Parts: sequence; structure tokens; C-alpha cells
Amino acid sequence: DAGITQSPRHKVTETGTPVTLRCHQTENHRYMYWYRQDPGHGLRLIHYSYGVKDTDKGEVSDGYSVSRSKTEDFLLTLESATSSQTSVYFCAISLTASNTEAFFGQGTRLTVV
Amino acid sequence: GQQVMQIPQYQHVQEGEDFTTYCNSSTTLSNIQWYKQRPGGHPVFLIQLVKSGEVKKQKRLTFQFGEAKKNSSLHITATQTTDVGTYFCAGRSEETSGSRLTFGEGTQLTVNP
Repeated sequence: DAGITQSPRHKVTETGTPVTLRCHQTENHRYMYWYRQDPGHGLRLIHYSYGVKDTDKGEVSDGYSVSRSKTEDFLLTLESATSSQTSVYFCAISLTASNTEAFFGQGTRLTVV
Repeated sequence: GQQVMQIPQYQHVQEGEDFTTYCNSSTTLSNIQWYKQRPGGHPVFLIQLVKSGEVKKQKRLTFQFGEAKKNSSLHITATQTTDVGTYFCAGRSEETSGSRLTFGEGTQLTVNP
């Protein structure tokens, strides 16, 4: 497996609290992504990064923010968690933008109660 | 925006039967990738198709990319219990630049021994 570590792996939080998920890679890949996975929806892109301090929105970015201050770390923040954000979150990395495979982390299961 | 649709959502087969999942995009794709996710696991890259009409094989798995580069299929011959999991297609649109990889909803395959 590629060197991708997500933390925490599981989290339960209360509605309205801020939550930060971390993705750490040791592959020096330029591109990093945050997806959420929900039954019947597959994997939906939240935000992605194409370099340090360079990020862009995906298809379901509302309620989420990201930061990438170092090549190896990509943080996903839920500013005020809602029950609709209960999901499994996957971080992924890729070497290039267009024609290389994405490597996924193990996932973070987040429950907002 | 780009949409990638996958059918069927679920497929239940007896071991030894064949299995096919289909992927259709609303836009022309520059390439298409296939991933497999075992239960409780993370998506793992299987293959990438780039050329119109391309066919690739991996042992019992056959992948096709349509002539119009808007659809793809994965066919498994003589399924085994090790094939259990969810299969996702993911495509990048030719019409937009950048690194957005849009996933289909996935086909969940179960195999009865």
C-alpha cells in the first residue's frame, strides 16, 4: 500500500462542533484529494489540492474547508459538524493530474450525533 | 457537471457465474479507471483505459472502453468468492482540465459459494 495515513480512523462528535481530519503521505505526490463515501452515492469529491497552498472545491464542498501547508499533509475541517456529514471520508493521492492512478488511505469513519 | 452512472447497483451471483458492470458518462472521457473496494476496505486501483475501443484483460477480468469514450464495462468470468466487493469506475472529462476524477456509484458484487 502507498504511504498514506489518515487520522483519526474513527470519530464520534456532536452537532455543531468543529472537526479536523488529517491525511499524511510519504510518497511526495503533488495531488491530494478528500472524498466522502455514502451508500448509493459512491465516492464524491469534497476538495482537492494540486500543491502546497493550492486547493480547489469538489462537487460537495459546502460545510468543508481544507488546508495544505506542507506537501505531505492535507487537512479537512468541518467548521460546524452536522448529522448530514456522518460518512466515511477517504483521502487519496496521485502523482499527476490526469493519467495516473489514485492511491487511497484507509478511511475515517465520522459519526455526528 | 460531469456525471458518471454505473449499473447495476447490486449484483448477486453464484460462484462460477459471470458478472458484468457498466459505466456511462454524460461527457466524453479522456480516460477511465476501475477500482475495487473490499468490504470494510478502501478503493484499490485495478486498471486505466485511455484509447477509444480499448480492451484490456487481467486474468478473469476484461475491461472495455467504448468507441465514443463515454462508456465502459468490467466483465468477470467465472466469479470466485475472492471477487466479492464493490467495483467503481472513475473518469476524467475531456471537456474540463484539471484533476477531477468523477466516480460512479459502484456495483456491489456478492458471490455465493
